[in-house]
Amino acid sequence: SQTIHQWPATLVQPVGSPLSLECTVEGTSNPNLYWYRQAAGRGLQLLFYSVGIGQISSEVPQNLSASRPQDRQFILSSKKLLLSDSGFYLCAWSPGMNTEAFFGQGTRLTVV
Amino acid sequence: LAKTTQPISMDSYEGQEVNITCSHNNIATNDYITWYQQFPSQGPRFIIQGYKTKVTNEVASLFIPADRKSSTLSLPRVSLSDTAVYYCLVEGSSASKIIFGSGTRLSIRP
Repeated sequence: SQTIHQWPATLVQPVGSPLSLECTVEGTSNPNLYWYRQAAGRGLQLLFYSVGIGQISSEVPQNLSASRPQDRQFILSSKKLLLSDSGFYLCAWSPGMNTEAFFGQGTRLTVV
Repeated sequence: LAKTTQPISMDSYEGQEVNITCSHNNIATNDYITWYQQFPSQGPRFIIQGYKTKVTNEVASLFIPADRKSSTLSLPRVSLSDTAVYYCLVEGSSASKIIFGSGTRLSIRP
């Protein structure tokens, strides 16, 4: 069966520090991968998605970047965190278009 | 991608049937309608997906009229554990990205 792992669950980082969140999927190949951010009480904002290794589409200009070094690995990064980067970050995967998306447990990031 | 509009919030009571309607006037021919449920501090969970008419699973029913410009998620006999945010999405075959709207915050009371 397929599983998605996202870590860490919580993270507190000072302003200006770097960030690296990792997401891995098991039990499938060539998944579509997604990074979302959710502010408190708000909906999910799509940050990045990828349909293959090295293929990254950015949805909104921001202080973040994403990479897909391996087929089932998706990394969200920042060189210098801002206070506004605080939020709940979710990784997801789907087998393809018009199919169910499966989400990780999320990382709650607090920038202080 | 078709934009979706759904109520910001709804209240109901245990044992009632709850219907949440979503409008998607610009839905394209190849688009599917998908609903997700999200509890606090968790990722969304797939509930149901449909293209037209009616789809039913063990959790909910999805009603889609012939013009497909709206859809209604029906939750039979809700319980307190159905308190969550429900998202309506329109997913097209022309793009791989999955866009969530603001969702409907459903509160179930005893």
